[in-house]
Amino acid sequence: DTEVTQTPKHLVMGMTNKKSLKCEQHMGHRAMYWYKQKAKKPPELMFVYSYEKLSINESVPSRFSPECPNSSLLNLHLHALQPEDSALYLCASSQSGTGEGEQYFGPGTRLTVT
Amino acid sequence: GEDVEQSLFLSVREGDSSVINCTYTDSSSTYLYWYKQEPGAGLQLLTYIFSNMDMKQDQRLTVLLNKKDKHLSLRIADTQTGDSAIYFCAVPYPPGNTGKLIFGQGTTLQVKP
Repeated sequence: DTEVTQTPKHLVMGMTNKKSLKCEQHMGHRAMYWYKQKAKKPPELMFVYSYEKLSINESVPSRFSPECPNSSLLNLHLHALQPEDSALYLCASSQSGTGEGEQYFGPGTRLTVT
Repeated sequence: GEDVEQSLFLSVREGDSSVINCTYTDSSSTYLYWYKQEPGAGLQLLTYIFSNMDMKQDQRLTVLLNKKDKHLSLRIADTQTGDSAIYFCAVPYPPGNTGKLIFGQGTTLQVKP
């Protein structure tokens, strides 16, 4: 089983709202990732958690706040977003906590900021 | 840094073979990956190849790696309409255990009946 689940599938939020995206995997993977994907573009890495600790932040604005409460769960807290933040947000995980090896992606959350 | 390039579009007839190409700039990459993305969906890991291999075959998929030319290709035999999707090659960068993947721009494969 190589399933990564993400909720919600779709989210519409205003610029003053606070919302959270959730990602879960039960494969025992020790690294988890957030990517942002704009239409017709490849995914862009935002954050990497390795052994539940933030190991990479790709200079993401502070209005995006990641959290890894345990080894199976990854959240992305959203606050005061801009319309240009509208995108598909993808979560991924990989077995090795060092980030080596293949990454398995979830179906994504399509976010619209109004 | 690493630069990964793909052609943007490929159109084939059902039953033909499809070949999607990818070039990269950093020769020390370890594993190289191919992902498939259908409309409105996440990325599905199709296959990968280790850098000490020249070829890997998995059912209808054949991956060829030319390390000298830094060229990776994905061949899909007997292409079906269900293969219509965007295909991304992805390379770890910097090489080693960071978890960063650099993706190509994606090749949209259109399969005509």
